[in-house]
This record gives sequence, C-alpha cells and structure tokens, in this order.
Amino acid sequence: NAGVMQNPRHLVRRRGQEARLRCSPMKGHSHVYWYRQLPEEGLKFMVYLQKENIIDESGMPKERFSAEFPKEGPSILRIQQVVRGDSAAYFCASSQTDRLSSYNSPLHFGNGTRLTVT
Amino acid sequence: GQQVMQIPQYQHVQEGEDFTTYCNSSTTLSNIQWYKQRPGGHPVFLIQLVKSGEVKKQKRLTFQFGEAKKNSSLHITATQTTDVGTYFCAGPDQGGSEKLVFGKGTKLTVNP
Repeated sequence: NAGVMQNPRHLVRRRGQEARLRCSPMKGHSHVYWYRQLPEEGLKFMVYLQKENIIDESGMPKERFSAEFPKEGPSILRIQQVVRGDSAAYFCASSQTDRLSSYNSPLHFGNGTRLTVT
Repeated sequence: GQQVMQIPQYQHVQEGEDFTTYCNSSTTLSNIQWYKQRPGGHPVFLIQLVKSGEVKKQKRLTFQFGEAKKNSSLHITATQTTDVGTYFCAGPDQGGSEKLVFGKGTKLTVNP
C-alpha cells in the first residue's frame, strides 16, 4: 500500500500523558499536513511541514503541541500533557507540490488517529 | 484568515432525489477542491476546479466554480445510498499558502 500511513489508528491516553502520532507520506511526496477533526465538525489545519522544516504552524496551539518531519522517518505530531479537550481525530495528509503550478496540490489523507483522553 | 463557508450543514434525502451543497468564500480563490469523507473514514479527494465558470462532471456528480471564483457547488443527481458521507470544499489560504482551508462540510444521509 503506497498511500499515507498513519499509526496508531486508535490511541487512548490518560490526562497528563503524552501522545505521539506518526505519519508516513505517500512515496514521492515531500509535503505533510496535519489536520484535526472534532465529531460532526470540519477539518482544522494545524501544521504544514516539508522535510526538516516547519513551513506553517499557525493552526497549532503554542503550548503542548509540536510537530516534526525529520530527514529520515515519519512525521510526528506530539501532544504533551494531554487534556480531555485534545480528544479528536488527527489526520495527516501529503502532497507533491508541482512548482510549475500555482494551484494547490490535492491532498492524500491517511486513515487518521483517533485520540481519546480519559 | 481565509474562511470557506459551506451550506447546508446537514441534508437528508430519499434515494433517487437530487442533492446540492454550496461553498462560499469571502475572497477570490485561485482554485477550489472537493473531498468526500465516508462515515468513520478519511477525506478523499474528488476534484479540483481552477477556471472561472468551470463545470466538471463525474458520473452523477456535477461540480461548478462561480464566475467570480468565490463560490462553488456540488450537485448529485439521483442519489444512491453509496453517496452517504460528508462533502467538504477546500480553498487556499490567503497569501498563496500551500495550506488548504476546509469548509465545515455538508453531511448527506440517504434513506433507501
């Protein structure tokens, strides 16, 4: 399967613990996006990364949340000291930006990680 | 920042009826994309529109981009139970960012 791979699919954490969500983009894709979705709501942008660089983190809370996309390995979304309000589905998407085009490249989403904080 | 408004939020139809969802932006969009998310699933890219007044069809689905490139619509003819899901439109954030801003989606349920 050459699609976007996210793991774990489901993650349960107690308040105060750390949550680590992983995302491997599609082969050949160098751009990774993280979105958060609450039940019955839309997709809220969190962060956009390219290899080793955070391009736009305007949607990510300044405290407790961090993201990285190292040269080797998957992108990681890390939530420290989780609270109940962090419970949501976190989707990763990847794209391959065509520099010759001024249009946004379509996003390919992973299956998501459903985080539950108890 | 950029906002993309989508209506209606929910739509219930009988199988065989038509369905339309509308997407509006306060600013001109260089392009707009549509995605479908099945219940419990992940968003899947459907189509991208880039030209003013553009109309594209995929079987029973018709996508339209407004002349001013500020609005778009998705119309499904003769809905089927397989059309169930949430349909999202998405446009670029202001400033030419690669970031896509999603509407809140229209959740479609189809009664057989």
